Amino acid sequence: DIQLTQSPSSLSVSVGDRVTITCQASQDISNYLNWYQQKPGKAPKLLIYDASNLETGVPSRFSGGGSGTHFTFTISSLQPEDIATYYCQQYDNFPYTFGQGAKLEIK
Amino acid sequence: HVQLQESGPGVVKPSETLSLTCTVSGGSISGYFWSWIRQPPGKGLEWIGYVYHSGSGTYNPSLESRVTISADTSKSQLSLKLTSVTAADTAMYFCARGRQLSPWDYWGQGALVTVSS
Repeated sequence: DIQLTQSPSSLSVSVGDRVTITCQASQDISNYLNWYQQKPGKAPKLLIYDASNLETGVPSRFSGGGSGTHFTFTISSLQPEDIATYYCQQYDNFPYTFGQGAKLEIK
Repeated sequence: HVQLQESGPGVVKPSETLSLTCTVSGGSISGYFWSWIRQPPGKGLEWIGYVYHSGSGTYNPSLESRVTISADTSKSQLSLKLTSVTAADTAMYFCARGRQLSPWDYWGQGALVTVSS
């Protein structure tokens, strides 16, 4: 299975901060990587697909980049509603796998 | 507007079969890939498997011997069956729609299943 390691696993942030989360894959997955946001008690929500494409309706403060084994997810200016856990997910190989999650908390 | 709704028993006894249904409204299940994903309480996400509307699909090898996912286009429903459950199968179970195999753009709200005697 392809392992995805997210860093950091948790982050204390303030409104207006620029936030960057990384996702390292255990092997080359090209750009077959998605990012999801999950709030407590809710289903994950797709934010970024194919590493860098913004899903329709998602605010432009969210962005993604990278390819191969190293990927980044950025929130350019954190808003209160962005407090959540963020997961990367690969679909280069079966079984599809997720990172362990990166939990944002208010400082 | 596409909506997915999971349904099924909230409690299943150990060694029995977990059965869930995902009802899709506001759109067809044809032409999409439908996955089940689960999340144990307080933990991360695990992909269980997917089914195409034709019935073909792939499962996570870690669960393959116990899982069946099927699609009923006439009812716009997907189903998940997981046999011989243990406490480790206690989780929130989500169904999700894939435009291709991934990403998943629509999700159900989830169904919590607890394995307990």
